[in-house]
Amino acid sequence: GAGVSQSPSNKVTEKGKDVELRCDPISGHTALYWYRQSLGQGLEFLIYFQGNSAPDKSGLPSDRFSAERTGGSVSTLTIQRTQQEDSAVYLCASNRQGNTGELFFGEGSRLTVL
Amino acid sequence: TQLLEQSPQFLSIQEGENLTVYCNSSSVFSSLQWYRQEPGEGPVLLVTVVTGGEVKKLKRLTFQFGDARKDSSLHITAAQPGDTGLYLCAGVRGTSYGKLTFGQGTILTVHP
Repeated sequence: GAGVSQSPSNKVTEKGKDVELRCDPISGHTALYWYRQSLGQGLEFLIYFQGNSAPDKSGLPSDRFSAERTGGSVSTLTIQRTQQEDSAVYLCASNRQGNTGELFFGEGSRLTVL
Repeated sequence: TQLLEQSPQFLSIQEGENLTVYCNSSSVFSSLQWYRQEPGEGPVLLVTVVTGGEVKKLKRLTFQFGDARKDSSLHITAAQPGDTGLYLCAGVRGTSYGKLTFGQGTILTVHP
């Protein structure tokens, strides 16, 4: 497809389990972002990848969260030892380097930690 | 710390009414974006305002960026049920494109 693709769309897990969320950005977009949207909250920046540069991890809430981007394309967000407060919609976005800053978002992965 | 305060959080109006959503901050932003999000989907960009005092119109939607680039507003004229959704403002600081600071959002419901 032409848009940002995320999987799974829904994930229910038990507290303490690890989860992986996947993002496939728009072809040709060099920048990739992860945001988290919790109920009643706006979007919260998590991490940003730009080309081959070191990622900006300044938004990751704890060391249980990590992300990687292989080959400058697909990204995986990993949450280890999930907690109930990790329940949220995790949104991935991409854009071209140096543009006006418009982000193209995927539909998100809804994570529920029981 | 919420750097962008968006108000109101909820807005329920009748078709044909006008409304304004506000986005305020004590910080200066190099640009400010407005997104609209529908259930089960990601946010979609409506507009980007860059210059202090700038006004942009998108059909019945009017966006304004404050002179000091610390606040913005979204005004909708003659709202329609199709305008229903979550409206989000997001500020860009410096050249950190994409590393946006979002407001909490305004859930707008327009009743026929």
